[in-house]
Amino acid sequence: QVQLHESGPRLVKPSGTLSLTCTVSGGSVTSRANYWSWIRQTPGKGLEWIGHINYSGRTNNNPSLKSRVAISVDTSKNQFSLELSSVTAADTALYFCAGGAGFLDYWGQGTLVTVSS
Amino acid sequence: DIQMTQSPSTLYASVGDRVTITCRASQSISSWVAWYQQKPGKAPKLLISKASSLESGVPSRFSGSGSGTEFTLTISSLQPDDFAAYYCQQYDSYPYTFGQGTKLEIK
Repeated sequence: QVQLHESGPRLVKPSGTLSLTCTVSGGSVTSRANYWSWIRQTPGKGLEWIGHINYSGRTNNNPSLKSRVAISVDTSKNQFSLELSSVTAADTALYFCAGGAGFLDYWGQGTLVTVSS
Repeated sequence: DIQMTQSPSTLYASVGDRVTITCRASQSISSWVAWYQQKPGKAPKLLISKASSLESGVPSRFSGSGSGTEFTLTISSLQPDDFAAYYCQQYDSYPYTFGQGTKLEIK
């Protein structure tokens, strides 16, 4: 059974960079069947797809976040990561990592990241 | 971006009721729709993919239908465990997008 777990700082200063890592167990980030995604959730905007990466490192990101998003994969650690730069209070959200073939089979438990000085 | 419009936003129902949630896409997305259930403090759980394919382990009282721009999630006989929030998601085109959610509450 594939399990995902997010880790990273819960508090980020405005204009800083939000960095989260998702560790995959029970499966491999090199699986050709899955994309590895980041999603965030806020009371105001609901669920927002941030982007995903595949086994070869190919990414697709949400244009609403412009060029602030970088998603990478570390096959040696079976992890994938999110970096979101130039954060503001609007980036305060519950961040989930997830995996699946477009639809999202597997989800982490989510981590609340607050942007505040 | 493809907009996914869910209705209703809140649905009041009783145990045993049959309920239907609708999701309309702003353009045709074939059958590339998934449905999720989310309980407070938890991650969403995949119920249905490709509009009507029930995930393993999901009770058969859940069903999905539709294609093109209109999709429905039906729960045939509500159980106490079903009171939660439900979301649709399209994965036809980037960026993937979600509906705003339907909160299913006890009447």
